[in-house]
This record gives sequence, C-alpha cells and structure tokens, in this order.
Amino acid sequence: ELKVEQNPLFLSMQEGKNYTIYCNYSTTSDRLYWYRQDPGKSLESLFVLLSNGAVKQEGRLMASLDTKARLSTLHITAAVHDLSATYFCAVDIELSGNEKLTFGTGTRLTIIP
Amino acid sequence: EAQVTQNPRYLITVTGKKLTVTCSQNMNHEYMSWYRQDPGLGLRQIYYSMNVEVTDKGDVPEGYKVSRKEKRNFPLILESPSPNQTSLYFCASSTLPGQVPSGANVLTFGAGSRLTVL
Repeated sequence: ELKVEQNPLFLSMQEGKNYTIYCNYSTTSDRLYWYRQDPGKSLESLFVLLSNGAVKQEGRLMASLDTKARLSTLHITAAVHDLSATYFCAVDIELSGNEKLTFGTGTRLTIIP
Repeated sequence: EAQVTQNPRYLITVTGKKLTVTCSQNMNHEYMSWYRQDPGLGLRQIYYSMNVEVTDKGDVPEGYKVSRKEKRNFPLILESPSPNQTSLYFCASSTLPGQVPSGANVLTFGAGSRLTVL
C-alpha cells in the first residue's frame, strides 16, 4: 500500500521568511504532483514533477523531486500573505493496469504579517 | 470554460435517506474520481472510473456507489447515509496518463460538496 506523508501538517511563518514542506512516499514512483487549496475552495494544480531531479518554480514556490529518496520538497522563498493555503502532494503509480493517485494529508500554511 | 461541476454544493440530510451527488465534466476526460476530505486525513479516494462502464474501488468505498453511463457524468450515490459520511466531497477528472505525451495525470477538481448527515 502506497503511503504518502507530509510534514509539517501545520506551519505558521512570518512574511519574508523561507521554509520547506516535505513529502515522503513509500513506493517507487517518478510522478509527483503538488496542489494548492485555498480556504473553502477546491484544489488547483501547482506543479507536475515527472522524473528524478525534476525542479519546477513559479514565483516564490519551488518544487523538486528525488525519486531515489522518495522525497519531494516544496520550498517557499520570502513568504507573502497570499501564499497562505493548504498544500497537498500526490503520488501516482500504476497498479494492476490502473492509475492510482494517493494524496498526502496536506500542510496548512499560514503566513503572518 | 473547462470545468467539473458538482451538485449540490451543500446538503444536510438524515441517516438513511438516499442521496446522489452529481458530477459532470466538459473536457472529454476519460478518468473521473471521487474523493472525500476529512481533517487530518487529507483526500481519500472513494471510487474512480477509467472510462464509460469501467469503475473501480478506491481506498474508502464502503457505503458508496457510483456509475459511469456517459463519459461526462460520474454520480456518487449514498444509498443509506450515516453520520460517518459527513465530509467534504470532491469530484475530479483528467485525461488518462497514457494518452498524454508527458504521462502526467493532472486532475481538475470540482468545487466540492459539503455533506452533513444527522
């Protein structure tokens, strides 16, 4: 059974600071996704990482994937208030001919002015 | 506009009263899936469908049914709801990874349906 663990689950940080969210998973995969969920809203795709060493950046967010360590990180640089949201990673494996996408528990990020 | 539409968005019901949450997508996606979101548990998959008439159980299928008679629709049926099915439900769809050059399975989510079972 694929397990996807994120930490921390909750994160409060001041504006302007840097921090990293970690996503560990238990089964070999080279497809990992990051989603963002604003309070009371749905999920939106942020990053798609499809190979070992993949790095994607958008604005103050950067995601990377290390398939050997089964680890992805989401790095926040110089946080601003509008990055406050819950961030989910999701890992994709093929199981018995079907696609199996498993989500982590999410990290609720609060940026404090 | 490309979207996944769920209805109802909010529903309060009582134990045992059958209900259906509808889901429709206008992107001609083969893959559709239902998730429930509960605090501290993230998103857990209930059922998914790879194409018309092809459905399979996810991680938490007990108490739910689905059908996929048309490509665009994937309703979630609670035959006899119980309080432990109180949750936030999301429908999502995507193109099958094998049909995308990158092999990615990027989901488009509906707005969510908040269900309370008393």
